[in-house]
Amino acid sequence: QKEVEQDPGPLSVPEGAIVSLNCTYSNSAFQYFMWYRQYSRKGPELLMYTYSSGNKEDGRFTAQVDKSSKYISLFIRDSQPSDSATYLCAMSVRGSSNTGKLIFGQGTTLQVKP
Amino acid sequence: DTEVTQTPKHLVMGMTNKKSLKCEQHMGHRAMYWYKQKAKKPPELMFVYSYEKLSINESVPSRFSPECPNSSLLNLHLHALQPEDSALYLCASSWGTSNYEQYFGPGTRLTVT
Repeated sequence: QKEVEQDPGPLSVPEGAIVSLNCTYSNSAFQYFMWYRQYSRKGPELLMYTYSSGNKEDGRFTAQVDKSSKYISLFIRDSQPSDSATYLCAMSVRGSSNTGKLIFGQGTTLQVKP
Repeated sequence: DTEVTQTPKHLVMGMTNKKSLKCEQHMGHRAMYWYKQKAKKPPELMFVYSYEKLSINESVPSRFSPECPNSSLLNLHLHALQPEDSALYLCASSWGTSNYEQYFGPGTRLTVT
């Protein structure tokens, strides 16, 4: 079993839809959670990061962490064709045992159709 | 400014060539990373530098040789690569290795012929 599971999709939605992207994880030591967006043939772009359970909102994006269920989500409201990309979740452990190593999910490919 | 720059954007090299990839950041970050990414896969960590010292080598073959000349620069020297080394090579940086989010550069797309 992988430490981080993410459905690769593809996920296709109409413009304006609410998108829900999810990852589950097995290591309870993970304390830092990130979402990256990666356009084709480009580097990953950090979208959201959070260190605690609950919700964090930034514009049309909301990151949600449920540590009790070991489940994180990224919601995109009013999705646009420009949101079409691969979304990667990533997480790491806390404190001195953090070597800088991020554990990535497989990435979910999202297509928003006009 | 959260910019990490990488040069070149594209590189084609033969199996006997020697080439180098360059990465630069001016955010004052003290940790820098090299990742390799194959198509439709997540980035795979290769090396971590913390305060200009190599702290992690993820069992990368010796044909890849990293160098951190100063806190802003990171190089990856390539020699005698194989076609299966063709990939997108990504550099990232963060404030430190503990508890900090990483910012990625645009990558160098490497093709080994």
